[in-house]
Amino acid sequence: QSVLTQPPSASGTPGQRVTISCSGSTSNIGSNTVNWYQQLAGTAPKLLMYGNNQRPSGVPDRFSGSKSGTSASLAISGLQSEDEADYYCGTWDDSLSAYAFGTGTKVTVL
Amino acid sequence: EVQLLESGGGLVQPGGSLRLSCAASGFTFSSHAMSWVRQAPGKGLEWVSGSSGSGTTTYYADSVKGRFTISRDNSKNTVYLQMNSLRAEDTAVYYCAKGRFYYDSAGSDYWGQGTLVTVAS
Repeated sequence: QSVLTQPPSASGTPGQRVTISCSGSTSNIGSNTVNWYQQLAGTAPKLLMYGNNQRPSGVPDRFSGSKSGTSASLAISGLQSEDEADYYCGTWDDSLSAYAFGTGTKVTVL
Repeated sequence: EVQLLESGGGLVQPGGSLRLSCAASGFTFSSHAMSWVRQAPGKGLEWVSGSSGSGTTTYYADSVKGRFTISRDNSKNTVYLQMNSLRAEDTAVYYCAKGRFYYDSAGSDYWGQGTLVTVAS
């Protein structure tokens, strides 16, 4: 079982704002920065956000990230059809000495 | 351009062994951690193992500890995953991923396309 918990699904209509949460503990999110990954159907994951709230080059600014205490969030504003994908948070866990991925959230554009 | 090309996947019987390879290009290989991440059919991502840039520091998920070994040849820009005592639950697509920094703790920024490992009799 993952030490990072995400809601299994989220949805919205085009143009809406969707938020995905990632809940952890003091040994992971509470101690390290959080990354977010996007996985489109049938493809490899892609880094979407690093260092809690930094976007790699090429990632639209409608994606934003935040962290507070032992939780992190990814927000997608102005939802578009191409945003339909699985999203995973990830961070290092000091107690496990291992990298941990969240349980994943499937975003559906209605 | 960063490129990661995995190879070595296939069908193996329970208890068998397999070695995955990942050939990297487009960056200074020895300056970056490398890791293996797997995804069972229809399931989420699971980090398997990571190696520091030099290969002297390695980490493993509890689910594979003692059975899998990560190694790298910096002269060949290649990282390996030796998988022994394979079980049905090891069936997954295995991705090779480039670390953002020298150590794996900061996560990965580029991923290969994956290689499928199927453990079945």
